[in-house]
Amino acid sequence: SAVISQKPSRDICQRGTSLTIQCQVDSQVTMMFWYRQQPGQSLTLIATANQGSEATYESGFVIDKFPISRPNLTFSTLTVSNMSPEDSSIYLCSVENPQESGYTFGSGTRLTVV
Amino acid sequence: AQSVTQLDSQVPVFEEAPVELRCNYSSSVSVYLFWYVQYPNQGLQLLLKYLSGSTLVKGINGFEAEFNKSQTSFHLRKPSVHISDTAEYFCAVTGLGGYNKLIFGAGTRLAVHP
Repeated sequence: SAVISQKPSRDICQRGTSLTIQCQVDSQVTMMFWYRQQPGQSLTLIATANQGSEATYESGFVIDKFPISRPNLTFSTLTVSNMSPEDSSIYLCSVENPQESGYTFGSGTRLTVV
Repeated sequence: AQSVTQLDSQVPVFEEAPVELRCNYSSSVSVYLFWYVQYPNQGLQLLLKYLSGSTLVKGINGFEAEFNKSQTSFHLRKPSVHISDTAEYFCAVTGLGGYNKLIFGAGTRLAVHP
């Protein structure tokens, strides 16, 4: 199955700033998914990123706040913009493994906004 | 669209006792179902998945789950739990057909007491 390298693993950021999270996959994948896990909560899908097209955002998430890039089939970034303490969460990327009918997750980025 | 309901937010149990974590799903199409475990301050680990075939699925760490299409359920069971099973457990669903997003339930916190 695919292996994902996600960076940074954690960061502490000042409110009002932006952070870009990177996910690198060791194989070409069509779809990449970005999730948020707020403290003590489940995983909520932010958006689905398809190479060469605009990301598709879930209800409650907007491109201005969470811009996503997908320049090729092995890489994607998620930016958390104009951060506030409410953005403190773990952010995870994920890819589907069609051959195994499963999903692989990155190790996550633990973001704290102060 | 798919949705998942985990019926118990917390399940306390004594060591060596059996446990069942309940999961119900909703979907207008056929589904794949997954159980993930998240240990404190760690990433997601796949326990097991149902794709097709036998409705009883065996996973890692002695866990198993049974797919019941008529009741739209996918309950997770273990006949004898250990202290080390204390973790958050997430049920997740995706629609059949490939490149579909994975939707998570709210999670069940399993607390195993000596």
